[in-house]
Amino acid sequence: GAGVSQSPSNKVTEKGKDVELRCDPISGHTALYWYRQRLGQGLEFLIYFQGNSAPDKSGLPSDRFSAERTGESVSTLTIQRTQQEDSAVYLCASSSRPESLYEQYFGPGTRLTVT
Amino acid sequence: GEDVEQSLFLSVREGDSSVINCTYTDSSSTYLYWYKQEPGAGLQLLTYIFSNMDMKQDQRLTVLLNKKDKHLSLRIADTQTGDSAIYFCAESGAGLTGGGNKLTFGTGTQLKVEL
Repeated sequence: GAGVSQSPSNKVTEKGKDVELRCDPISGHTALYWYRQRLGQGLEFLIYFQGNSAPDKSGLPSDRFSAERTGESVSTLTIQRTQQEDSAVYLCASSSRPESLYEQYFGPGTRLTVT
Repeated sequence: GEDVEQSLFLSVREGDSSVINCTYTDSSSTYLYWYKQEPGAGLQLLTYIFSNMDMKQDQRLTVLLNKKDKHLSLRIADTQTGDSAIYFCAESGAGLTGGGNKLTFGTGTQLKVEL
C-alpha cells in the first residue's frame, strides 16, 4: 500500500518568508511525528500528534514553528519568518499505534533551503 | 538529556562484514533501533532490540547490546554494494503527551562498500 508521502520534495525560500510543508500519513495511522534533520546530524524530534489528543510540541525550536493535523489525516508544518538555520530536511513519520515503539514509518522528507 | 553518538564513516570491501557502533546515554531506553537511509529516500527501519536482550539476529543483520556500557552495534554479514547508505542508531526516549515515544537519533554512519 501507499507509504507516508510528503510535499514538496524540495523547497527554496528567501529568508523571512513563511513556508508550509505537508505530510500525508499512511491511511489509518493515528500517530504522526515531525522530525528535522540538519546536514550531517541525526533527526531531531519536533512535534507529535495522536488522534484528537493535544499535540506534544516539546521539540519545536521556537514559536516560529507550528503544526496542525486534521483528525487522523494530513498534517502541515508551518515555519514563519524563515531563517537560514531552518535549512534542513523535514521528515514526517506515522505509526498505527502510539505505543508501538517500532512502527514509525518515515516519508521521504522535504528538503528546505533558506537563502 | 538523551544523547546518541556514532562514528561518521565506515568503508568496507564487498563480501566483508561491517560493524557499525553506537553509544547512548539514556539508561531508561526501552528499545534501540537501527535505521537505514538511502539517498533521496526516507528512513527504513532495519531492526530493533528490546533493552533486556543482548543479541538479535535477522538474516545478515546481528544486533549486539551491552546495556552496562550503553553500547549498541550492528553487524552486516557479507556486505553488498546495495548496503551502501547512512545507518542511524536511535533510542526510544521520553514518553510523549498522548502516548507514543520520541526517538533520539545519532548522527548517522555513512557506510561505503567498495568492490
